[in-house]
Amino acid sequence: ELKVEQNPLFLSMQEGKNYTIYCNYSTTSDRLYWYRQDPGKSLESLFVLLSNGAVKQEGRLMASLDTKARLSTLHITAAVHDLSATYFCAVGHTSGTYKYIFGTGTRLKVLA
Amino acid sequence: DADVTQTPRNRITKTGKRIMLECSQTKGHDRMYWYRQDPGLGLRLIYYSFDVKDINKGEISDGYSVSRQAQAKFSLSLESAIPNQTALYFCATRGTGTTGELFFGEGSRLTVL
Repeated sequence: ELKVEQNPLFLSMQEGKNYTIYCNYSTTSDRLYWYRQDPGKSLESLFVLLSNGAVKQEGRLMASLDTKARLSTLHITAAVHDLSATYFCAVGHTSGTYKYIFGTGTRLKVLA
Repeated sequence: DADVTQTPRNRITKTGKRIMLECSQTKGHDRMYWYRQDPGLGLRLIYYSFDVKDINKGEISDGYSVSRQAQAKFSLSLESAIPNQTALYFCATRGTGTTGELFFGEGSRLTVL
């Protein structure tokens, strides 16, 4: 059974600081997704990582995937208040069932 | 207009009532999903469908049923609602031959008293 663990669950950080969110998963998969959710809103896709060693960057966010370690990271560089949101990773089954299992989410609060 | 539309957006009901949450999409995607979001638990998959003839149970299908009336429509029903089904429900779609990310509706907040 595919399980996805995300940590930390909650992160409070000062503006300008760097931090990393971790996403570990339990079985083989080569598809890893990161989503952002603003309070009371829907989820929007941030990054799609489709192969081992994949790295994607958008602004102050950078995501990477290590399929051998079954680990993805979302790194935040010089955080700003606008990055405050909940971030989810999701792993796609490679069995052809196209199920997506989500982590518990990391609630990020960036303090001015 | 949103590509993935959920109705109702908010609903308060009583224990034992039957509730239907509806999802429609204009993206032309064949794969549709229903997720439930609870604080601290992330999103959990209830049901998913690849086309009108293919419906599959997810992690937490007990107490729920679905109907895929057309490629563009996927409904979630609670036959007899109970308080622990109080949650935020999301519909999502995925196209074929794509990078595979999901596209979410705005969510339906359900409260069962």
